[in-house]
Amino acid sequence: DAKTTQPTSMDCAEGRAANLPCNHSTISGNEYVYWYRQIHSQGPQYIIHGLKNNETNEMASLIITEDRKSSTLILPHATLRDTAVYYCIVLWNRDDKIIFGKGTRLHILP
Amino acid sequence: GAVVSQHPSRVICKSGTSVKIECRSLDFQATTMFWYRQFPKQSLMLMATSNEGSKATYEQGVEKDKFLINHASLTLSTLTVTSAHPEDSSFYICSAQRSGSSYEQYFGPGTRLTVT
Repeated sequence: DAKTTQPTSMDCAEGRAANLPCNHSTISGNEYVYWYRQIHSQGPQYIIHGLKNNETNEMASLIITEDRKSSTLILPHATLRDTAVYYCIVLWNRDDKIIFGKGTRLHILP
Repeated sequence: GAVVSQHPSRVICKSGTSVKIECRSLDFQATTMFWYRQFPKQSLMLMATSNEGSKATYEQGVEKDKFLINHASLTLSTLTVTSAHPEDSSFYICSAQRSGSSYEQYFGPGTRLTVT
């Protein structure tokens, strides 16, 4: 499975858009990009996933570059409840076991 | 839909005893469940893959005789930490993979184990 690289931590002001980058330069053509987040002392929560096209749901938007070597998760209007560790994961199949990296610790500032 | 529960949410046990943690998919069937362990300020570490009706597959470095996994039905998997020691104190999280076309994984809320 392709490896991912994420910044260790980021800050974002409440109400602003939070843009979380992820590099996955060794991704192969059939691998999906998944994003999960983990709020303190809770289980991970699925956010969004994509293959080639940009995706949007009620939680976030996922922008994947044309060469698929990087992506950005966008939380359009961050709230304090979005403070969490965000994990970018590349999976060959949806039923792959998920191996978590270190993720990005996002702090939403009031 | 797609809710995964864990029981108990917190447990304290004495060193040398065994403790069982349950993972249930409440509104869907899960052929495959996964068990993770998470130490403070660290990421989740996959321990094993649990398949209904068959033996679990353990990740390298995880002692299968210490962490017993049973997946007896399509909605229940259990993790038993045998002869627990203080270093086994951790946050244990399960995930369940919905059987069928979507194969999405859903995570439980976690179980905080403290061994005294």
